[in-house]
Amino acid sequence: QVQLVQSGAEVKKPGASVKVSCKASGYPFTSSGISWVRQAPGQGLEWMGWMSTYNGNTKYAQKLQDRITMTADTSTSTAYMELRSLISDDTAIYYCARSPADYWGQGTLVIVSS
Amino acid sequence: SYELTQPPSVSVSPGQTARIICSGDELPKQYGYWYQQKSGQAPVLVIFNDSERPSGIPERFSGSSSGTTVTLTISGVQAEDEADYYCQSADRSGNWVFGGGTKLSVL
Repeated sequence: QVQLVQSGAEVKKPGASVKVSCKASGYPFTSSGISWVRQAPGQGLEWMGWMSTYNGNTKYAQKLQDRITMTADTSTSTAYMELRSLISDDTAIYYCARSPADYWGQGTLVIVSS
Repeated sequence: SYELTQPPSVSVSPGQTARIICSGDELPKQYGYWYQQKSGQAPVLVIFNDSERPSGIPERFSGSSSGTTVTLTISGVQAEDEADYYCQSADRSGNWVFGGGTKLSVL
């Protein structure tokens, strides 16, 4: 069965970077892209971007494009999302999802606090 | 920037029909998607391509599209359907956009 398993919770200081992983199984990894979505505490869903696991093409949300990088390791069927220059507003649960979002990871809590 | 608008809350009694409407200018050209999110859980896709239902989603969930709106209909609402529901589509550049979410309360 299709599964997306994400890395564990992180606590970071303002200005630091975080890299969240998303290991896929149960389907051909390069057959579907991976999207990243985040949810701040008590707030709605925010799309962060998408990458093709086939050729590495990416599309990022405009507000994040200077700070975000999405990559993938096809040998381990793992997608990564790195967010740099963290601020308190980046505190959220980060989700990966197989495009078109039919399967989601369990979420990774990232807390940004001094 | 492009926005999708949905009501903050909808309340229904068990067995009744709940309808959640999402509006956006690009919806005539882009598909609509609906996600259910229960407290403390990841979202679950319940409707894709405006009206298609993924396998495993109960038949009481249906979707429709008309002009600049897409609608999620839950027929015969059950207590377990209480959750937040989000519509999602894309802008002209293909970037995903989410609505603000609707809290469905089953009274």
